[in-house]
Amino acid sequence: RKEVEQDPGPFNVPEGATVAFNCTYSNSASQSFFWYRQDCRKEPKLLMSVYSSGNEDGRFTAQLNRASQYISLLIRDSKLSDSATYLCVVKNQGGKLIFGQGTELSVKP
Amino acid sequence: NAGVTQTPKFQVLKTGQSMTLQCAQDMNHEYMSWYRQDPGMGLRLIHYSVGAGITDQGEVPNGYNVSRSTTEDFPLRLLSAAPSQTSVYFCASSYLWDRPFHSNQPQHFGDGTRLSIL
Repeated sequence: RKEVEQDPGPFNVPEGATVAFNCTYSNSASQSFFWYRQDCRKEPKLLMSVYSSGNEDGRFTAQLNRASQYISLLIRDSKLSDSATYLCVVKNQGGKLIFGQGTELSVKP
Repeated sequence: NAGVTQTPKFQVLKTGQSMTLQCAQDMNHEYMSWYRQDPGMGLRLIHYSVGAGITDQGEVPNGYNVSRSTTEDFPLRLLSAAPSQTSVYFCASSYLWDRPFHSNQPQHFGDGTRLSIL
């Protein structure tokens, strides 16, 4: 079993739609959690950290459930520019970042 | 402030050749790492280092060597290239422990190296 697993994609949604990505992790000692965005095999870029109480950044909302070892990302009012691959990332002890395989999002006009 | 500098950006090798991918960072980060990315596989950790003189294996270390003689540099060596090593390689660095005002940027990535082994 992979240490970090994400919804298989791709997700094809119309502009304005709400889309949710799910992610599970297997290491209960994991310390920090993030969502990254990657465009066209360029370097991944941090989208947002995920905090235990849940956090929101504009149209993006991240949730963490430590008991279920589950992370989610919600994107409201999807834009064409949101089209990318979204990577769930878990930071383990010692600073190692473990990436999920990514979920591709395609927002259509 | 250059961040993470990764070279070369593109490389084509023949099977059996050796080469070194260079990675340098100027942020005094303790932690450096190498990932490879293949279609449908996400980023897989090859090797990582928590400081000068210290390296350890990640998820897919076979066929690769690393060294960390300085804080700034973390080269990745392919000793005898194989077609299975055709991939996109990313180098990344970060502070080992969260610092105030830095915890929202866990890792800085280089631009990537697109490597093809024929």
